Parts: sequence; structure tokens; C-alpha cells
Amino acid sequence: DAGVIQSPRHEVTEMGQEVTLRCKPISGHNSLFWYRQTMMRGLELLIYFNNNVPIDDSGMPEDRFSAKMPNASFSTLKIQPSEPRDSAVYFCASSQGYSNEKLFFGSGTQLSVL
Amino acid sequence: TQLLEQSPQFLSIQEGENLTVYCNSSSVFSSLQWYRQEPGEGPVLLVTVVTGGEVKKLKRLTFQFGDARKDSSLHITAAQPGDTGLYLCAGGTGRRALTFGSGTRLQVQP
Repeated sequence: DAGVIQSPRHEVTEMGQEVTLRCKPISGHNSLFWYRQTMMRGLELLIYFNNNVPIDDSGMPEDRFSAKMPNASFSTLKIQPSEPRDSAVYFCASSQGYSNEKLFFGSGTQLSVL
Repeated sequence: TQLLEQSPQFLSIQEGENLTVYCNSSSVFSSLQWYRQEPGEGPVLLVTVVTGGEVKKLKRLTFQFGDARKDSSLHITAAQPGDTGLYLCAGGTGRRALTFGSGTRLQVQP
């Protein structure tokens, strides 16, 4: 079975540009999570969806960040405009039930904003 | 805000040594998970503990959940180079998303 699929694996962009990260969760999973990982702050939750509905977006840094889940098999995380401090690895994860179930992570998107 | 602190942050040991990693919080969690992350990949779940005082073993890895469900430890016996990675604890409460610890980066030298 395919795991969580994220694209792109690497993204290099210039400050001010729009960045869109994509995620396909495991089929049948009800919850989807976006995390950001940096050396300084570790793994931080940005937002999580349950049955395509955003449940907790308190970790979204500011209005420049937005996330959507138009259907059960696809989610996007958009940053507009991007800034150098957004450079990080962004992970998408999914789980079968609610938020405390086993999380399956994608391989991440390494984002560099110059 | 629920915080999970892990110690040590970094650990470099020789193959065959034993080690213990700690995960501490002032908050009570209904469950605690341990993940291992290798470079260029996402974290992978090792174990979930849900009962205070619970001990689980996974080959050479022993996991314990504190009696008060605020802390946990991971003990590795006779570490091997394949154990190298970033170890993350993560606490869960109700329907809130998991809170991840700061991580322990382990390097096992052959």
C-alpha cells in the first residue's frame, strides 16, 4: 500500500513568491495533519483536519499560511508571500481515527526561501 | 500549552553500550508515543503506551510510561549502528493533536 505522498520533495524559492505544498493521505484515513520541523523549534503542528474539516489551526503562524482539504484524498498548504524564516521541512501525516491514533508521515518537503 | 522536554538532546555512543532517553512534561497525557526519524524521512512510530506504569518491549528497546502519565523513558540495550536516528516522544490528550518532544539525536558508532 502507498503511504502518505507529499510533493514536491524539495522546493527552493525566492522571498515573496507563493509556495504550494501537496499531500495525499493514506486511503481510508480520517485525519490529516501538517507539521513543520526545524532544528530550533522541533516538530510543530500547523493544522489538522478530521473528515476534511479543520479542527485545530492554532499552529498556523499567520495569515500568510493557509491550508485546504477539498476531499479525503488531497490537501494543500500554501504560503503567500513566503519569507526566509519559513524555511523548514514540512510534513504531512494521516491517521485512521482521531488525532491520538498512530500517525503515518510522508517523507516531507524541504522548503528553502532565499 | 503542553510541552514535552526530552533529554539528552544529543547522544553519541559506541556500539554495544546501553542508553536511556527521557521524556518529561508537567502535563498529564492519555497516551504517549515514541517515534524514530531517519535523515530525509518522516518519523515512524515505534510504540504507544497508555497506562500509567506500563512497560513495553520491542526487541532491544524498552519503553516505560510514568505512573502519573507525565513522563516516559526509552532504554536501548546493546545499541547498534542501525539504532542511529532522531527519537521523538509525542503526547496525546483527548482529541487534541499530538504534541511532540524536542527530540534526542542518537549516533551509534561502530
